[in-house]
Parts: sequence; C-alpha cells; structure tokens
Amino acid sequence: KNQVEQSPQSLIILEGKNCTLQCNYTVSPFSNLRWYKQDTGRGPVSLTIMTFSENTKSNGRYTATLDADTKQSSLHITASQLSDSASYICVVSDRGSTLGRLYFGRGTQLTVWP
Amino acid sequence: EADIYQTPRYLVIGTGKKITLECSQTMGHDKMYWYQQDPGMELHLIHYSYGVNSTEKGDLSSESTVSRIRTEHFPLTLESARPSHTSQYLCASSERGRTGDQSTEAFFGQGTRLTVV
Repeated sequence: KNQVEQSPQSLIILEGKNCTLQCNYTVSPFSNLRWYKQDTGRGPVSLTIMTFSENTKSNGRYTATLDADTKQSSLHITASQLSDSASYICVVSDRGSTLGRLYFGRGTQLTVWP
Repeated sequence: EADIYQTPRYLVIGTGKKITLECSQTMGHDKMYWYQQDPGMELHLIHYSYGVNSTEKGDLSSESTVSRIRTEHFPLTLESARPSHTSQYLCASSERGRTGDQSTEAFFGQGTRLTVV
C-alpha cells in the first residue's frame, strides 16, 4: 500500500531556531516528492519538488533532502520566523499512471513562538 | 501566487440544499483535481480530470459530482448536502507531464470551507 508518513505530528520551536521535519514513504514506482506549506484555512503552497536523481534542494530558508534508497526525505527550516507557523505536508507522486497520483502525508504542524 | 481560484471561501448551508463549489484556473492546465481535507488530516482525492469532458472518481468515495466543459473550469456539485459533507474542499491543477516524468507542479486554490447544518 502506498503511504506517506510524517514526523513529528506537531512541533513547537522558538523564533530563530532551526528544525527538521521527516517524511518516510512507501510509494512505488516513485516519481517525485514535494513539500508543501499550508497555512490554516488556506490551500497548500509548494516549497520544493525533487525527482529521483536529486539529493537536496533549497528554497530560501527551506532545504529539502531526499534519499530514494531508504525512501526518506527531510525538510530543514533555518532561522525560523513567526510566519513559518503552518502545516508542512510531504507529497509523493508515483509514475505508475498518467495521472501521476499524489499521496499526501498528514503533515507536521509547526508552531513558532516569539 | 498561483492563478487558481475557488469560490466561495466559506459556505454554511442547511441540510438538503444543492450547492456548487467553483474552481477556475487561468494557467491552461489540463489536469484538475478536487480534494477533501478534514482538520489535521491528509488530503483525499475525490475527483480528477485529464481535460475537457474527462472526469474520474478519486480514492475517497464522494456523493459529489463534477463536470469539465471548459479547460479552465472544474465545478463540484452536491445535489443534497448533509452534515457529513462538512469539510474543507481544495481544488488543484497541474500540467500534463511528459510520459514517465510527472514532476510537474500542482497548484492549489485557497479552499472552500463547507459547513452543513
């Protein structure tokens, strides 16, 4: 069964600190992995998208890593800001169909305190 | 910011009413999706479309229906709303990827928060 598991479920950090969110998946055949940021009551917004051959990708203070062998990904946030408070969703796409089916994790709820 | 729009943002209606949730995108994307998301839970695919006149049911069983008469428009309809339909509904779109390469971006609308009382 294709699944995406994220940890931790929730995380509270102080402003300015770094944090790392984890994503493990069993989706096969793998196509790509995306990290989205979803503010409360809004739609997800893409942070990064990584294919099989990519090990790391950065977008400002966000750095995603991918280990396709162990089927793990992480999202590292540097120097957190209050506006980083949101749910971070790991999404894995398969290449087994033309749809490129998306499998969603439940997200990690990040809260940044001043 | 992505050019995909959902209306209304919030909707409170009575049981038994017929409603249509609107979704439009101006990016010319072939593929469009409807997801349902309960608080703290993952998104579940309820409908998708490859293009005009193409619609398919997703993973999560839903009593809603969709249509795709125009590329840019993908409305979702509930003929008779029930309290169990209370949820957030998210619309998304993406380009049709090349064969074997599905690394195209999926853009999401802001969502419609539906409450059926």
